[in-house]
Amino acid sequence: KQEVTQIPAALSVPEGENLVLNCSFTDSAIYNLQWFRQDPGKGLTSLLLIQSSQREQTSGRLNASLDKSSGRSTLYIAASQPGDSATYLCAVRSNDYKLSFGAGTTVTVRA
Amino acid sequence: NAGVTQTPKFRILKIGQSMTLQCTQDMNHNYMYWYRQDPGMGLKLIYYSVGAGITDKGEVPNGYNVSRSTTEDFPLRLELAAPSQTSVYFCASTRQGEVGNTIYFGEGSWLTVV
Repeated sequence: KQEVTQIPAALSVPEGENLVLNCSFTDSAIYNLQWFRQDPGKGLTSLLLIQSSQREQTSGRLNASLDKSSGRSTLYIAASQPGDSATYLCAVRSNDYKLSFGAGTTVTVRA
Repeated sequence: NAGVTQTPKFRILKIGQSMTLQCTQDMNHNYMYWYRQDPGMGLKLIYYSVGAGITDKGEVPNGYNVSRSTTEDFPLRLELAAPSQTSVYFCASTRQGEVGNTIYFGEGSWLTVV
């Protein structure tokens, strides 16, 4: 069974600082890994998707890396802004198309 | 496109009542999922479907039933509601085999069982 862990559970940084969010998974036989953002009381918004054959994906200030062999992914958010405050969820998609989620990292960016 | 649409958004049920959460997607996705999210926890898979007429259990299927008679619709039925089913429910969909096959989520359904 795939287990997904996100560390830290919560993070508070001043505006402008770079954010580093970690995700680890136990079974390296994955199809892809996806990072989501969730605002309070809202659904999930996809940020980045990394296929199992890729090492990283970038979108604007966001960069996600994937090291399948060590079971790790890292989401980097450059020059954080108060609008980046949210919960970030890592989800690992197995080859049977099931999606396993971490518990998330709640980020607060202080103005 | 509307994407993934869930109804209702909020519902209060009494213990022992039954109800159906509706989910529809207009992206012609073959894979659909139901998740529940409890406070401070990750999403847990309840049921999923790989196509019309095919469903399978996830991690936490007890107390729920699903059907998939069409590609677009994947309703989740709660039978004999219990307080432990108080949660936020998310429906999601994706397409098999496409490059960059992102999973799309609905806005969620907040259910309270009292």
